[in-house]
Amino acid sequence: DTAVSQTPKYLVTQMGNDKSIKCEQNLGHDTMYWYKQDSKKFLKIMFSYNNKELIINETVPNRFSPKSPDKAHLNLHINSLELGDSAVYFCASSQEDSSKNIQYFGAGTRLSVL
Amino acid sequence: ELKVEQNPLFLSMQEGKNYTIYCNYSTTSDRLYWYRQDPGKSLESLFVLLSNGAVKQEGRLMASLDTKARLSTLHITAAVHDLSATYFCAVDIWGGGADGLTFGKGTHLIIQP
Repeated sequence: DTAVSQTPKYLVTQMGNDKSIKCEQNLGHDTMYWYKQDSKKFLKIMFSYNNKELIINETVPNRFSPKSPDKAHLNLHINSLELGDSAVYFCASSQEDSSKNIQYFGAGTRLSVL
Repeated sequence: ELKVEQNPLFLSMQEGKNYTIYCNYSTTSDRLYWYRQDPGKSLESLFVLLSNGAVKQEGRLMASLDTKARLSTLHITAAVHDLSATYFCAVDIWGGGADGLTFGKGTHLIIQP
């Protein structure tokens, strides 16, 4: 069973569209995250979500919004897509109160905005 | 702002050789992580280092942490081709709680036969 799963794996869309990426974890973790990996492979935190507390990286445009229907899911909605949003988006999860707090990553969603 | 710097960013080496990747970070943090990423794949957790002087080993990889110097190293012993990948170090942003990680830029490692 996949621990952290994301769908879709690939997403190709036009500028200006609105899209969503889904993430689910079956590890029983209480914290989930979204990261963006750009074309140079640089990884940057976008959001973390824990017990209904959302921590936002202040550099993330408000066109990006995470939505968590329950603690096993953290979806990413993106409005008015721009060329610069093209990247690989990774979902991750961890157990906050563990000493190691290791984050486990999904396989990634490769978003291409044309 | 927390900064994490890795070097080298690119490393090409031959099988059987030893080498070390360095990771410096700018502020105090409770945890230091090493991840591996194969091309087009996800990130795989290798090590988490929790305290000054911590050393962890798995196969040909050994990671260490010096919190006073804010330095972690990932040492590769007698490299083999299967270790070719990009290696990232990462640090908790706030040192506890629902933290995101601040990643280094990654070290792209190629091991040639």
